[in-house]
Amino acid sequence: EIVLTQSPGTLSLSPGERATLSCRASQSVTSGFLAWFQQRPGQAPRLLIYGASNRATGIPDRFSGSGSGTDFTLTISRLEPEDFAVYYCQQYGRSPPLTFGGGTKVEIK
Amino acid sequence: QVQLVESGGGLVKPGGSLRLSCAASGFTFSDYYMTWIRQAPGKGLEWVSYITSGGTIIYYADSVKGRFTISRDNAKNSLYLQMNSLRAEDTAVYYCARSLGPMDVWGKGTTVTVSS
Repeated sequence: EIVLTQSPGTLSLSPGERATLSCRASQSVTSGFLAWFQQRPGQAPRLLIYGASNRATGIPDRFSGSGSGTDFTLTISRLEPEDFAVYYCQQYGRSPPLTFGGGTKVEIK
Repeated sequence: QVQLVESGGGLVKPGGSLRLSCAASGFTFSDYYMTWIRQAPGKGLEWVSYITSGGTIIYYADSVKGRFTISRDNAKNSLYLQMNSLRAEDTAVYYCARSLGPMDVWGKGTTVTVSS
């Protein structure tokens, strides 16, 4: 089973600032099959990034993903008020379990 | 529009059973793998089970193996999760999601509470 460790657990930033979220895997993620999701309070998760660096349909270009192997990053270039939420990484490249990271909460400073 | 709607959640006693449903619309259901994911109150996301497009390959998380059964009816554009021998730790919001790789469409979820 691939274990995904996200850091930091909480990120306190102001609107307009840059957010950098990390996701580290215990083993190499096959073919970069790493996704990022955003979850706002009371809502279902929403796919932001797939294949480590591809934005999903309708996702603003202030969201970008990078990385390969075991180290992945989600960057939000300039935080908008609606971006304060919890973010999860997930690997979907190997046979199940299809594991999620523990999440990073981006909160308003 | 593309939509997934879960139903069937509720309050059940430990040891009891529930059957969740997920109704799909706006896309060709039979083309997609389907997945159940859950989220316990105040916790992160946990993958539960998935089923391939034709229903021939199925996987479960160890935490539910032997107690939960995933199935689908492509003629009815529906996904199911039969949950037996429920425990307090199964209390969660249960989401269904479609995937051809990443899970790109999610339902809003249905809440399951296991309590005496």
